[in-house]
Amino acid sequence: EDQVTQSPEALRLQEGESSSLNCSYTVSGLRGLFWYRQDPGKGPEFLFTLYSAGEEKEKERLKATLTKKESFLHITAPKPEDSATYLCAGGGSGDYKLSFGAGTTVTVRA
Amino acid sequence: DAGITQSPRHKVTETGTPVTLRCHQTENHRYMYWYRQDPGHGLRLIHYSYGVKDTDKGEVSDGYSVSRSKTEDFLLTLESATSSQTSVYFCAISDFTRDLHYEQYFGPGTRLTVT
Repeated sequence: EDQVTQSPEALRLQEGESSSLNCSYTVSGLRGLFWYRQDPGKGPEFLFTLYSAGEEKEKERLKATLTKKESFLHITAPKPEDSATYLCAGGGSGDYKLSFGAGTTVTVRA
Repeated sequence: DAGITQSPRHKVTETGTPVTLRCHQTENHRYMYWYRQDPGHGLRLIHYSYGVKDTDKGEVSDGYSVSRSKTEDFLLTLESATSSQTSVYFCAISDFTRDLHYEQYFGPGTRLTVT
């Protein structure tokens, strides 16, 4: 059974204090590792797809990386508007379903 | 929200009553999904569809049924609502691209309370 685990559950940062979120996965025949951002009361918003170990993608202050067992979401010099819950999900071979982690809630204080 | 709407956005219903949630997309995407999101559990797949009249069960399908008679609409029905089905329900869509991307795009959600 595919499994995706995120840590930590919650992360409190000062503005400008860089940090990383972890996503560990066991997904059979990984086809893609996805990162989403979710604001309170809204649906998840797609951020990145990573397909192979060693791949990196960046968007503003966010950078996602992928190894054979983990993905990291690095937040560089965060601002209060980066406060959100970040979800990762793995997609395996054979179908088009995703397995989601429980998320990491990031709070950035000014 | 990538051309995805959900209705209703909020609903309060009583135990034992039937409830239907609607997801409508304007993107002509082939795949549609229904998830529920609960604290501590993250997003869990209820049912999904890979084409008109083609549906399959997800990991938490008991007590739910779905129908897809048109590409743009995917309905989720709770035949007899229970308090354990109080949750936030999200619809998502996806499709192939030239690079075989299949990221899912989510609707705004429906908050359902069963009393």
